[in-house]
Amino acid sequence: DIVMTQSPDSLAVSLGERATINCKSSQSLLYSSNNENYLAWYQQKPRQPPKLLFYWASTRESGVPDRFSASGSGTDFTLTISSLQAEDVAVYYCQQYFSTPYTFGQGTQLEVK
Amino acid sequence: QVQLVESGGGLVKPGGSLRLSCAASGFNFNDYYMTWIRQAPGRGLEWVSYISGSGTIINYADSVKGRFTISRDNTKKSLYLQMNSLRGDDTAVYYCARHKDPGVGAASKWGQGTPVTVSS
Repeated sequence: DIVMTQSPDSLAVSLGERATINCKSSQSLLYSSNNENYLAWYQQKPRQPPKLLFYWASTRESGVPDRFSASGSGTDFTLTISSLQAEDVAVYYCQQYFSTPYTFGQGTQLEVK
Repeated sequence: QVQLVESGGGLVKPGGSLRLSCAASGFNFNDYYMTWIRQAPGRGLEWVSYISGSGTIINYADSVKGRFTISRDNTKKSLYLQMNSLRGDDTAVYYCARHKDPGVGAASKWGQGTPVTVSS
């Protein structure tokens, strides 16, 4: 199974500042035949289901604010919020869909400092 | 608009069974892979199973293989999860979700979830 490891486990950032969350996979998520990374990012607010933010590692889902960006390839990926807003407080998860069983990172709790 | 509504959760004794349902609306149900993802209390997300639009491609997490069965009825626009031999570590909120596209195993639409508690 592919192990997904996020860092840090929790993060406190001041409003308007940048937040960066990392995700590392135990094997490459880059599929050579289409040059795509099989990685997604989700945001989960309290008492809500998760919401898809990005797929193919960096393709923004419709409706996601452009202060959110995602990057990376192979085994190392990053989710960045350029200017933290109060409504961004949530747990963020990465997920690989390169091979089954699909696996998630343990989550990163993002809070306002 | 896309809607996914789960039902069938509840309290069950260890070794018991439950059947979860997910009613879909607002999209061409048979065009999409569907998945079940669960979240134990205070824990992270765990993928459970997915099924292709035609129902011919199915995969399970090792933790549920042989105990859980995913199925779908495209005429009823419904997804199901038959859960047998339930254990305490199956206690979780179970989410029904739709894949973004065939070949994209990211879950782009989610239901609100149905809670399952396995306890004597």
